[in-house]
Amino acid sequence: ETGVTQSPTHLIKTRGQQVTLRCSSQSGHNTVSWYQQALGQGPQFIFQYYREEENGRGNFPPRFSGLQFPNYSSELNVNALELDDSALYLCASSSDLAASSYNEQFFGPGTRLTVL
Amino acid sequence: SQQGEEDPQALSIQEGENATMNCSYKTSINNLQWYRQNSGRGLVHLILIRSNEREKHSGRLRVTLDTSKKSSSLLITASRAADTASYFCATSSSGTYKYIFGTGTRLKVLA
Repeated sequence: ETGVTQSPTHLIKTRGQQVTLRCSSQSGHNTVSWYQQALGQGPQFIFQYYREEENGRGNFPPRFSGLQFPNYSSELNVNALELDDSALYLCASSSDLAASSYNEQFFGPGTRLTVL
Repeated sequence: SQQGEEDPQALSIQEGENATMNCSYKTSINNLQWYRQNSGRGLVHLILIRSNEREKHSGRLRVTLDTSKKSSSLLITASRAADTASYFCATSSSGTYKYIFGTGTRLKVLA
């Protein structure tokens, strides 16, 4: 059983640019959630994807968007980057939608985004 | 917004001592989970306790849940230097699909 993987590990962008972060969910998992973790804070929920559809969204503007693919891997896209977008971006997978609120989520190692 | 608030924010103990950290939350929950995070890296799942459970053990970890007080505690016994990390609680509520994390406790275990 493979774990959750994310790429890239680190990324440096400038304000106004666009970025795409990638996540491969754990084998057999069809639900992926994305979180943003600012320095010194707990992770904040961005959105969740289930079977290629966005299932719920946190308090993030529309310039944060995502995709989930038939193999359940996922992308997080952020347009018009701002300095405050600098953070660790984490994805987490769970075995199915119902389980995502009743069972554990498995987190990837994260992508560290720096916006200059 | 943060649902859980961990207490204390930071904790420094000697190796071999026990470490206790607490988490308070605001709304009714399905379950509560504790995670460890080393140096801003990914989150490692430690233990999950469901709303109808009061205590769970896993190795040197002991978690309690008091739904009447909307609080949980994580006890790490016989701490080791390798336990140095940030610890977060995360709650899941009925009818939702997301986990809400607390602000974390930074634990430092001195050798």
